[in-house]
Amino acid sequence: NAGVTQTPKFQVLKTGQSMTLQCAQDMNHNSMYWYRQDPGMGLRLIYYSASEGTTDKGEVPNGYNVSRLNKREFSLRLESAAPSQTSVYFCASSWTSGNTGELFFGEGSRLTVL
Amino acid sequence: GENVEQHPSTLSVQEGDSAVIKCTYSDSASNYFPWYKQELGKRPQLIIDIRSNVGEKKDQRIAVTLNKTAKHFSLHITETQPEDSAVYFCAATPNTGGFKTIFGAGTRLFVKA
Repeated sequence: NAGVTQTPKFQVLKTGQSMTLQCAQDMNHNSMYWYRQDPGMGLRLIYYSASEGTTDKGEVPNGYNVSRLNKREFSLRLESAAPSQTSVYFCASSWTSGNTGELFFGEGSRLTVL
Repeated sequence: GENVEQHPSTLSVQEGDSAVIKCTYSDSASNYFPWYKQELGKRPQLIIDIRSNVGEKKDQRIAVTLNKTAKHFSLHITETQPEDSAVYFCAATPNTGGFKTIFGAGTRLFVKA
């Protein structure tokens, strides 16, 4: 039982390049999330997927797209990376909505945009 | 939307002392308040949570209090130990749009042996 798995763990991009962060959970959770973590700013919600087939914007969605591929997988895509997107990205999942219980986080993906 | 403020940003205590971290939230519709601990280089993990129909909850050395009227909630750690050193995040989740858990900026706790 791996929980929430993210890939890659580290990535360096040049400005304008694109990339996709992958996330998979094996806990049969309905809801999945992408957060970014920056020093002094806590965890900010980028996008979430309440259930398979749905996605919605969070606090900071600009510059990102997401896909809920199936119940297990939720990917985050940067179409044209910018230095302001340098951050640590965390995927998370929960049984249903965030106010019904714990968010389970992945180990994080550290992205640097030069 | 919801806004969560967390204080202090850094807290240093002597081993065995107590530590208190305070948060305020803006949305009176928030009804679930979790606290997460993040050790250096690790993922955030839930340590305790409280719902709006409860004023206090305790789990061994940690406790959380909630004042709905003032929109304040706090984390209390007693008899601190070096392994309590980490970043702690408070969060609030609104009753409507319950997927949008909003986090505070975090408190870095140092426990000196």
